[in-house]
Amino acid sequence: AQKITQTQPGMFVQEKEAVTLDCTYDTSDQSYGLFWYKQPSSGEMIFLIYQGSYDEQNATEGRYSLNFQKARKSANLVISASQLGDSAMYFCAMRETHTGFQKLVFGTGTRLLVSP
Amino acid sequence: DSGVTQTPKHLITATGQRVTLRCSPRSGDLSVYWYQQSLDQGLQFLIQYYNGEERAKGNILERFSAQQFPDLHSELNLSSLELGDSALYFCASSGEGGGKTEAFFGQGTRLTVV
Repeated sequence: AQKITQTQPGMFVQEKEAVTLDCTYDTSDQSYGLFWYKQPSSGEMIFLIYQGSYDEQNATEGRYSLNFQKARKSANLVISASQLGDSAMYFCAMRETHTGFQKLVFGTGTRLLVSP
Repeated sequence: DSGVTQTPKHLITATGQRVTLRCSPRSGDLSVYWYQQSLDQGLQFLIQYYNGEERAKGNILERFSAQQFPDLHSELNLSSLELGDSALYFCASSGEGGGKTEAFFGQGTRLTVV
């Protein structure tokens, strides 16, 4: 079974600084997808960024980038120039595919606090 | 706005009762997923429907059931509720196939069982 590990329960960063949120995964599949979601205090799950296992380049979406190291099975999220609104829970997830359909396996999350 | 609509947003009910959570997927998405987020279990996949048919089952209790209707909206039925069923229940939808078919989540239904 696939597994996602997020070892940082909480992270603190100062506004305008960059921060890296760690995510390691375990899978025997050759084809998989990795996702990051943001969950603010209001509760909704907001999709941030996606990395496919065969993508040669690291994914980027605005201030978000994914540091994908396939051999190490890590998919760390980098947030550049942190903003106060980035304070939230961040979840790493893996697409687990069975017969072409998918479900997401989530890590336990990292709570990010951005201070002024 | 993800395009996935969940109702109600909040629900408070007593133990032993039954509730129905409703989800309307994004336009064109055939797959609907239900997830449960609780403090002790984290985010857990419950069940997936694709175009009206059950496709995958996760850690869903026998007291829980779901269905997807011809108009693609889905309902999650929770019965004989227990205090431990208090959680945030998410519905997500996605298109078919591989690639960047990320799941878009609704805002969730926060269920409190008292």
